[in-house]
Formats: sequence, structure tokens, C-alpha cells
Amino acid sequence: AQTVTQSQPEMSVQEAETVTLSCTYDTSESDYYLFWYKQPPSRQMILVIRQEAYKQQNATENRFSVNFQKAAKSFSLKISDSQLGDAAMYFCAYRSGDAGNMLTFGGGTRLMVKP
Amino acid sequence: NAGVTQTPKFRILKIGQSMTLQCAQDMNHNYMYWYRQDPGMGLKLIYYSVGAGITDKGEVPNGYNVSRSTTEDFPLRLELAAPSQTSVYFCASSYLSGANYGYTFGSGTRLTVV
Repeated sequence: AQTVTQSQPEMSVQEAETVTLSCTYDTSESDYYLFWYKQPPSRQMILVIRQEAYKQQNATENRFSVNFQKAAKSFSLKISDSQLGDAAMYFCAYRSGDAGNMLTFGGGTRLMVKP
Repeated sequence: NAGVTQTPKFRILKIGQSMTLQCAQDMNHNYMYWYRQDPGMGLKLIYYSVGAGITDKGEVPNGYNVSRSTTEDFPLRLELAAPSQTSVYFCASSYLSGANYGYTFGSGTRLTVV
């Protein structure tokens, strides 16, 4: 079974600064997908960014980018120019390419943004 | 354009009571999932379904049951509620072959068992 580990329970960043959230995963599969989800106080799960394992190029979505290191099984999220609205829980998730396609989540990192 | 709709949003149950959490999606997604999120924790898979009439257990299925009689609906049944089932429950759906897509999540149901 796959496991996803987020080693930082809490992080804080100054507004307009850059922060990196860490995620590692364990798998024996070659075909899989990785995601970062944001969960604000409203509880809604919001997809931030996705990465296909077969792609070497790191995904980017506006101020959000990832550093995908497949050999190291590492998938960190970088948030540039942090904004107050970025404050939330962030979850890293792994999805197998096999049937069922279940998402396995990490334990989450709470990001605080200081004005 | 509703996406995934969960009802109710909040519920308080007494120990031993039963209830059904409703989940409906209007995107014609084949795959549907139920997760629970305990305070300060990540989401854990309870049950999932790859299509109407097909369900399977996830990581934490004990105390729950599901059914999938239609593509749209995937209710979660709690029998004999226990305090350990106090949690936030999320329903989600996705395309059959869209592994490169994330899920579409409902807004969650906060359940308290007292």
C-alpha cells in the first residue's frame, strides 16, 4: 500500500514571501499521479496542482509550483508571493494509475500567513 | 452545475442511533468515494465505488455500509453510531479513466456522536 508523509504539521510565512511545503511518498508503482489540495476553514477541498509521474517537467499553476523528485519520491509545493488567502491546511495526495484510482492523503500541513 | 452535493451539512447523533449521509453527483462520474477526516488529520478512505452496483472497502470501513444503485447517488450508512465516528465526512467523485485528474469533493458533513 502507498503511504504519503507530510513532515511539517505547521508552517508560517510572511506575506509576499515564499514558502515550501514538503511531501514524501512510498510506492512500488511506476504509473501514478500526485496532487496538492488546499482546505481553507470552509472545509472545501480545492485542487491546487497536479503532477503526472511520467512527466519530468515540474507542474506550475500561477504562484504555485512543485519540485518533483521521482527517484527520491519527493513532491514539495512552493508558494510564491504568499497571500493572506493562502492560509489553510494543505494536503499532499497520491493516486495510483490502477483501477479504483483511490487517493491516499498525507496528514496535512497547516500554513499560516503573517501580514 | 452542482458538482457533488452532500446532505446534511451538520448532524448530532446519540450513541446507538443510525443515519444515512447522502451524496449525489451530476457529472456522470463513474467513480465515487467516501472519506472521513478526523480533527487535525488527513482523509481516510471508507468505501468506494467504480460504478453502479459495485462497491468495495477502503482503509476504515468498520461501522459503515454503502450502496450504489445509480451512477448519481452513493449514500453512506452508519449503523449503531459510536463516539469514534465523530468526524467530518467527505464524498468525492471522478472520471473512470481520469487518474490524472483529482477528485471533485462535496462540502462535507460534520457529524458528532454524543
